[in-house]
Amino acid sequence: AQKITQTQPGMFVQEKEAVTLDCTYDTSDPSYGLFWYKQPSSGEMIFLIYQGSYDQQNATEGRYSLNFQKARKSANLVISASQLGDSAMYFCAMRLLTDSWGKLQFGAGTQVVVTP
Amino acid sequence: NAGVMQNPRHLVRRRGQEARLRCSPMKGHSHVYWYRQLPEEGLKFMVYLQKENIIDESGMPKERFSAEFPKEGPSILRIQQVVRGDSAAYFCASSQSLESMNTEAFFGQGTRLTVV
Repeated sequence: AQKITQTQPGMFVQEKEAVTLDCTYDTSDPSYGLFWYKQPSSGEMIFLIYQGSYDQQNATEGRYSLNFQKARKSANLVISASQLGDSAMYFCAMRLLTDSWGKLQFGAGTQVVVTP
Repeated sequence: NAGVMQNPRHLVRRRGQEARLRCSPMKGHSHVYWYRQLPEEGLKFMVYLQKENIIDESGMPKERFSAEFPKEGPSILRIQQVVRGDSAAYFCASSQSLESMNTEAFFGQGTRLTVV
């Protein structure tokens, strides 16, 4: 069975500093995609970044980058220059090529609080 | 182009009542996915539907839960005889077709069900 693990239930980070959110996954499938979503207190799910299992380079989207270490099965999210608006829950998720397209498996999430 | 619309945003039901949650996918999308988020947890896949068909219901509880996506109108997630443990946020996502691996899932804002 596949599994996503986020070991950090919560983190405090000072404004303008960088923060790394851990995510490890477990699958024997060779083809998969990894996603990070942000869930602010208002509740919606906001897509941040995607990494494919065959991608050679780490994904980047603005202040978000994904530290993908395939051999270690980790896909950590790095948020640079944190802003107060980054305070939210962050979820790591995985999609298998063999699964229904919309079938994402989510980790338990990490609560990030950005302080002034 | 409106996003995925879910209603109601908040729903309160007494134990034993029925809950009906509605999801209107993005315009042109014919695939719908329902997820449940229990307090302090990540989203869990429930069911994947195309118009008039259930494709994957591997995450649906065996009793009291049903889902449909009729030819006309929104997708409905129905929970009969609700219990306190059904209290959760229910999210819907949609897609146009079987997208490529790196396509994000577009989520609605969720329905927060509270069973009292």
